[in-house]
Amino acid sequence: GEDVEQSLFLSVREGDSSVINCTYTDSSSTYLYWYKQEPGAGLQLLTYIFSNMDMKQDQRLTVLLNKKDKHLSLRIADTQTGDSAIYFCAPLTGGGNKLTFGTGTQLKVEL
Amino acid sequence: EPEVTQTPSHQVTQMGQEVILRCVPISNHLYFYWYRQILGQKVEFLVSFYNNEISEKSEIFDDQFSVERPDGSNFTLKIRSTKLEDSAMYFCASSALQGHGEQYFGPGTRLTVT
Repeated sequence: GEDVEQSLFLSVREGDSSVINCTYTDSSSTYLYWYKQEPGAGLQLLTYIFSNMDMKQDQRLTVLLNKKDKHLSLRIADTQTGDSAIYFCAPLTGGGNKLTFGTGTQLKVEL
Repeated sequence: EPEVTQTPSHQVTQMGQEVILRCVPISNHLYFYWYRQILGQKVEFLVSFYNNEISEKSEIFDDQFSVERPDGSNFTLKIRSTKLEDSAMYFCASSALQGHGEQYFGPGTRLTVT
């Protein structure tokens, strides 16, 4: 089945850009999503990219997809303390029915 | 803004007991899902549900688990005889479409089996 990997931690200074990386194994994934989880909260859908796109920008968020290398990244511009959370990469697999989540990357934003 | 709600937020039960976790999906959504996250582990897919039928389930979703849409608004996950290893955060999600149906998650129910 699909395997999705992310680095566990990322620490950045407020105002800098954050880049969270993700690798996946299922080349048939059609849509790839990013979710954010704040402490004690559920999974908040942030953005997504369709597999035939290389890049998608959504305000401060930029998603890059390298389909050949099965590598996805989420860039957050001008990172704020409110961006501190766990970020999950989640390709849609199983014929479009289920999300396979990565390990999650804990982003810590320091002043 | 419409949201998925789940009750209870925390459920403590004894091993061997039955539990029912409840979810109210977003009202015009047609596809419903349960996921779980054991502490310190990945979020795992359990089951998807459409048109009153299970459309896909994982190997975790064995005979101890069942899902139901008892009325037009609720979606439930039942665990018949809980085990210690069922302790996890259980998330309900819903989407308007399959394929590129953005899945919106509820806040989760933390299940603790003692």
